[in-house]
Amino acid sequence: DTEVTQTPKHLVMGMTNKKSLKCEQHMGHRAMYWYKQKAKKPPELMFVYSYEKLSINESVPSRFSPECPNSSLLNLHLHALQPEDSALYLCASSLNEGAGAGEQYFGPGTRLTVT
Amino acid sequence: AQKITQTQPGMFVQEKEAVTLDCTYDTSDQSYGLFWYKQPSSGEMIFLIYQGSYDEQNATEGRYSLNFQKARKSANLVISASQLGDSAMYFCAMRGNNQAGTALIFGKGTTLSVSS
Repeated sequence: DTEVTQTPKHLVMGMTNKKSLKCEQHMGHRAMYWYKQKAKKPPELMFVYSYEKLSINESVPSRFSPECPNSSLLNLHLHALQPEDSALYLCASSLNEGAGAGEQYFGPGTRLTVT
Repeated sequence: AQKITQTQPGMFVQEKEAVTLDCTYDTSDQSYGLFWYKQPSSGEMIFLIYQGSYDEQNATEGRYSLNFQKARKSANLVISASQLGDSAMYFCAMRGNNQAGTALIFGKGTTLSVSS
């Protein structure tokens, strides 16, 4: 099973709301990622977790707050977002970090609209 | 710095024909991985094929094959016998031992349109 699940599929939120995106995998992968993707552009890395610890933060604004409660779960907490944060948010996982870690599998994404 | 270049913004092919999507890369790493993903309009990134830098044979997965030419730093995707369901955006990506760990670096993508 190479499945990464993400909830919700769609999310509309106001600029003063607090919401969370959830990602789950049961492949025993120890590296998990958040990417942001704008329409017709490639995904851009936001965060990397390795063995449940944050290893990379690509200078993401603090209104995005990641959390990795255990090796299967990855959350992205959202607060005081701006309309330009509207995008597809993709979660991914791989066996571990390192060039030989094999494939990186993506979830179906959450389409976020900030009004 | 690592970089992936996809020079074809759009490609058009008829059903049952083969198509090649171009990808060149730049890296100073000796160990790296190259990936192709398909992204239909629904948004999901679907893993297609992987080639490791030390793999001597070109990777194949069903109708997908990766034409890996290390000296030319190219990793083109060949789709044989195109189907209507192949219409999507295709991304070439690379992972290496860079500051971003194993996060993928993507090209700008190629939109493939398959007609009947």
